[in-house]
Amino acid sequence: GAVVSQHPSWVICKSGTSVKIECRSLDFQATTMFWYRQFPKQSLMLMATSNEGSKATYEQGVEKDKFLINHASLTLSTLTVTSAHPEDSSFYICSASSGRELYEQYFGPGTRLTVT
Amino acid sequence: GQNIDQPTEMTATEGAIVQINCTYQTSGFNGLFWYQQHAGEAPTFLSYNVLDGLEEKGRFSSFLSRSKGYSYLLLKELQMKDSASYLCAPMDSNYQLIWGAGTKLIIKP
Repeated sequence: GAVVSQHPSWVICKSGTSVKIECRSLDFQATTMFWYRQFPKQSLMLMATSNEGSKATYEQGVEKDKFLINHASLTLSTLTVTSAHPEDSSFYICSASSGRELYEQYFGPGTRLTVT
Repeated sequence: GQNIDQPTEMTATEGAIVQINCTYQTSGFNGLFWYQQHAGEAPTFLSYNVLDGLEEKGRFSSFLSRSKGYSYLLLKELQMKDSASYLCAPMDSNYQLIWGAGTKLIIKP
């Protein structure tokens, strides 16, 4: 149980285009979803926290107009990287929490984004 | 401020035992998680401690001392597949996980 999927697992896009990443909780309802970014050999950096049906809460320094997050249902959240630049190339990971089990976060497999 | 301190890298031999230490400072505390992360993959949950003491789960055990702001992950009977980064992540008063850079564990035959 507690499986989280992400799609796509990797994507290459051209600078200036937008990319959408989906995060789904497959066998539980996720009241909260988290979006992280991880650069090589660095720690996970929380970008934003989203609760179903409400606006995401962004961490300091994360541009909300550039990283659009939608959490339309209890099983789906999307992150759209708008007007991508090479410096946005990173490993994007989502996690989901049902809020029932010790606030544990279940991680998706991650999406590797390369912007050329 | 909030801070996590773990060794950057450790090396151990297959079949041996290794202990990865973690000290932390957080604004409030709602337990501490240990995650395993293989290169290029997302973290996977290993353990959760909220009370002082040792939690054993198969080859892996995790210990917590809240008064000392200290935890360790103990890995027994090391296998080559245990080569990964191990992330200590305490949860603060807002139930937000605080992440460090983790400890890269290298297992040698």
